[in-house]
Amino acid sequence: GAVVSQHPSWVICKSGTSVKIECRSLDFQATTMFWYRQFPKQSLMLMATSNEGSKATYEQGVEKDKFLINHASLTLSTLTVTSAHPEDSSFYICSARDSLAGDTGELFFGEGSRLTVL
Amino acid sequence: GQNIDQPTEMTATEGAIVQINCTYQTSGFNGLFWYQQHAGEAPTFLSYNVLDGLEEKGRFSSFLSRSKGYSYLLLKELQMKDSASYLCAVTDSNYQLIWGAGTKLIIKP
Repeated sequence: GAVVSQHPSWVICKSGTSVKIECRSLDFQATTMFWYRQFPKQSLMLMATSNEGSKATYEQGVEKDKFLINHASLTLSTLTVTSAHPEDSSFYICSARDSLAGDTGELFFGEGSRLTVL
Repeated sequence: GQNIDQPTEMTATEGAIVQINCTYQTSGFNGLFWYQQHAGEAPTFLSYNVLDGLEEKGRFSSFLSRSKGYSYLLLKELQMKDSASYLCAVTDSNYQLIWGAGTKLIIKP
């Protein structure tokens, strides 16, 4: 099946610094990728939809200036958490659809990135 | 509004059968997914239903009734490793995935 790689898996940073998380589709092209955040014991919360070559679409309540998304190619989207604070500590997960396959809507997930802000 | 309902938590015994229900109200329908998620890991795909009926895949089966806005995931011969959260998600008319809150399944020996 299609593989999505997410990096880094774990990151610890100091408050006020910025952290970049990468999401790559390894064997397929993805015009659309999704970024989720998941707090402990809660379900996935869609943060934004990343569109190749255009601006991301953010969900209500998600600060676009804090969570910068760049989808510069068909296989790579990045999420940068700017000026991170302890309340940003969470599990961040990306997912992607295979643009060239029949659109069943199936998502392929990255492994997730656990961010801890000290 | 769009809404997906599934039980918060269920408990079952190893070797038994458990059924996890999911009801949905969405603007349009283009398929329903079940994902399994172990704690601290990303979700993994289990099943996809777009037509009414039962889809069987090994120990897991998924059922869909579009007229009732209802699906269930059936897990047979439960194993301890099946302890996880099970997420129901529906693709709406814009092919956006609407997620349920997930059902935490606890398997007891």
